[in-house]
Amino acid sequence: GAGVSQSPSNKVTEKGKDVELRCDPISGHTALYWYRQRLGQGLEFLIYFQGNSAPDKSGLPSDRFSAERTGESVSTLTIQRTQQEDSAVYLCASSPLMGFGTDTQYFGPGTRLTVL
Amino acid sequence: AQSVTQLDSHVSVSEGTPVLLRCNYSSSYSPSLFWYVQHPNKGLQLLLKYTSAATLVKGINGFEAEFKKSETSFHLTKPSAHMSDAAEYFCVVIPDEDSSYKLIFGSGTRLLVRP
Repeated sequence: GAGVSQSPSNKVTEKGKDVELRCDPISGHTALYWYRQRLGQGLEFLIYFQGNSAPDKSGLPSDRFSAERTGESVSTLTIQRTQQEDSAVYLCASSPLMGFGTDTQYFGPGTRLTVL
Repeated sequence: AQSVTQLDSHVSVSEGTPVLLRCNYSSSYSPSLFWYVQHPNKGLQLLLKYTSAATLVKGINGFEAEFKKSETSFHLTKPSAHMSDAAEYFCVVIPDEDSSYKLIFGSGTRLLVRP
């Protein structure tokens, strides 16, 4: 079956513009996660969706970042008024069960965002 | 706070020789630990995970890791490196049981395999 997919794979934008990143989780996966990976660093947790529960947004770095998910399907991560420090690879993951830590997260290939 | 430290940013080995990627963790309770691998232009893939069962964990592609509580370590090993093992490897810990979905990643170790 298909894995987690993300689009676009690459995005170059100008400082101050808004961008929208998309994630299609594996069908049937109830939990969805967004992470950010800056160059040469590990992943930073951004946000977590689990079914119809309120998302955990504690990792979002500023109010310029927001994310939505409709049901158990597609999620979009929006960055408003992009800054150069937002340049990174944004990774999405999904998992099949209740989002517990031992539940394996399946990662997409990421969207590489470059802010000029 | 829980954290992981990957002691080497780069490791270079010859094909056919053993691989050792080091990871130390900091946790106030018995943690769950993972190793993920990231090949160029591919998504992260789970190699193996430790969840307080057997301390020696076997993963995919011949990798294994041993949980040593006394040393707070979870080093990744493989007896014989293959060219296809060249990738970035991340040691990961779960921060606490209440936020067990917020994986905490180390900074990564890039494995280079020489012919």
